[in-house]
Order: sequence, then C-alpha cells, then structure tokens
Amino acid sequence: ELKVEQNPLFLSMQEGKNYTIYCNYSTTSDRLYWYRQDPGKSLESLFVLLSNGAVKQEGRLMASLDTKARLSTLHITAAVHDLSATYFCAVDGGPGYALNFGKGTSLLVTP
Amino acid sequence: GAGVSQSPSNKVTEKGKDVELRCDPISGHTALYWYRQSLGQGLEFLIYFQGNSAPDKSGLPSDRFSAERTGGSVSTLTIQRTQQEDSAVYLCASSYPKGSRNEQFFGPGTRLTVL
Repeated sequence: ELKVEQNPLFLSMQEGKNYTIYCNYSTTSDRLYWYRQDPGKSLESLFVLLSNGAVKQEGRLMASLDTKARLSTLHITAAVHDLSATYFCAVDGGPGYALNFGKGTSLLVTP
Repeated sequence: GAGVSQSPSNKVTEKGKDVELRCDPISGHTALYWYRQSLGQGLEFLIYFQGNSAPDKSGLPSDRFSAERTGGSVSTLTIQRTQQEDSAVYLCASSYPKGSRNEQFFGPGTRLTVL
C-alpha cells in the first residue's frame, strides 16, 4: 500500500519567514502533485512534478521532487498571510490511477 | 471553460436514509474519481472510472456505497442506509490522463451530514 506522509501537519509562521513542508512516500513513483485547499473550498492544483529533480516555482512557493529519496518539498519564501491554507501532496501509481494523499499541512501565516 | 461541478453542495439526511450525490466532470475528461474527506483528515479514495472500463471500486468502505457513470460523463455516488460515520465532504475529480501526466481537477464537493 502506498503511504504518503507530510510534515509538519500544522505550521504557524510569521510573515516574511521561510519554511519547508516535506512529503515522503513509500513506493517508487515519479509523479507527485501539490494542491492547496482554502477553508470550505475544494482543492486547487499548484504543482505537477513528473520526473526526478523536477523543480517548479510559482510566486513565493517552490516545489521539488527527489524520486530516489522518495521526497518532495514545498518551500515557502517570505511568507505572506494570503498563503494561509492547507497544502496537500499526492502521489499516483501511473496515468489514470487514483491519487494517494498526505494528511495535509495546515499553514497559518501571522503578522 | 467549465470546471467540475457537483450537486448538491450540502446535504443533511437522517440516519438510515439513502442519498445520491452527483458529479459533472470537465468535458472531454475520460477519468473520474470520487474521494471522501472527513474532518481533519486527508482525502480517501473511493472509486475510479476510466472510459468504458470496469470501475476500480477498491476504495469503497462498504457495500452501502456504489457509483455509476452514465455515458462516460456524469457520475452518481449512492450511499444506502446512511450512518453517522458517513458524514464528510465528498469530492469528485476528473482528468485526461496523457503520457505520465494525470493532473486531477476537483469539484467544490458535497458536504454530507447524517443526523
């Protein structure tokens, strides 16, 4: 069974600070996805990482994938309040397979 | 273009009643997924449809749960004899698997409350 573990599960950080969310998974896969969920809302796709060494950046967020270590990171640079949300990583076993999600990281950015 | 739509957005029912949840995927997407998100939990896979193939029902938690997808488009998730532990947000997603990319797009969800 594919397991996906995120840490931390809760993160409170001050505006302007940097931090990294980690996503470990238990089986070989080179397809990893990051989603954002605002309270009461659905999931919004942030990044699609499809190969070892893939790095994607959007604004203050940068995601990377190391398939050999079975690890993805989501790095937050100079956090702002608008980034407050829950972030999920998800791994799939191949095209058309369901995604296996981590439990999510609830991020709160405070002044 | 239009995204994934789901209805109803909220459903309150009494224990023991049957409920039907509807999902309308993005036009042209061949794959459709149902997930369940319980309070404070991650997303739990329920069932997956790909084209005209037999669905993958491996995530359904009990035989009270079933789903159909008619004409390769709209899907209905049915929960019979609802229990309080069925209370959750039910999310539908669709995708067009291409090569190694299987980005799934999610609907707004149906919040089910079983009293």
